[in-house]
Amino acid sequence: AQSVTQLGSHVSVSEGALVLLRCNYSSSVPPYLFWYVQYPNQGLQLLLKYTTGATLVKGINGFEAEFKKSETSFHLTKPSAHMSDAAEYFCAVSAFTSGTYKYIFGTGTRLKVLA
Amino acid sequence: EPEVTQTPSHQVTQMGQEVILRCVPISNHLYFYWYRQILGQKVEFLVSFYNNEISEKSEIFDDQFSVERPDGSNFTLKIRSTKLEDSAMYFCASSEGQDYGYTFGSGTRLTVV
Repeated sequence: AQSVTQLGSHVSVSEGALVLLRCNYSSSVPPYLFWYVQYPNQGLQLLLKYTTGATLVKGINGFEAEFKKSETSFHLTKPSAHMSDAAEYFCAVSAFTSGTYKYIFGTGTRLKVLA
Repeated sequence: EPEVTQTPSHQVTQMGQEVILRCVPISNHLYFYWYRQILGQKVEFLVSFYNNEISEKSEIFDDQFSVERPDGSNFTLKIRSTKLEDSAMYFCASSEGQDYGYTFGSGTRLTVV
């Protein structure tokens, strides 16, 4: 069965500093991996995804993530945080098992950006 | 950009009442989902729907829950007899295919009093 672990339920960074949000997954089959962002009182917006091919994927708003199979990780990074990046971020894994795909979400990391 | 539309955005209902949450998925999408997020907790899978039938459901999706695609555009989640613990944000999502990523609606906040 698949699972997702997000280390750190809350992360604070200064504006302009590097953002690093950690995600580790467990899957018995090759996974598809996703990061979603949720702004206050809004839905989930897809930031980026890894399915196959290049292991470094770029998403919207300057975010990127690298799939590292050996470390079973898919950490989200952004070189320079902006105040507008303050939100909750969810990592998700999808794998094809028992004839269907299903997303499993991590518990989320709330990013706070300090002025 | 195409959107998944959910109505209503907020619903307050009394315990024991039936509620129907509505979703209009993106028109060319084939896979539909409901997730819920209890306040402060993670997003939990409820059910997936493909080819007019449930393809998978979680243990949360008990006999009180049902889904329907009544007219080829709407996708509804019905809770027959709401309980206090059903209070949550309910998200509908749709997908063109299994590896495309889901497009989520902005959610319906259900409050059971």
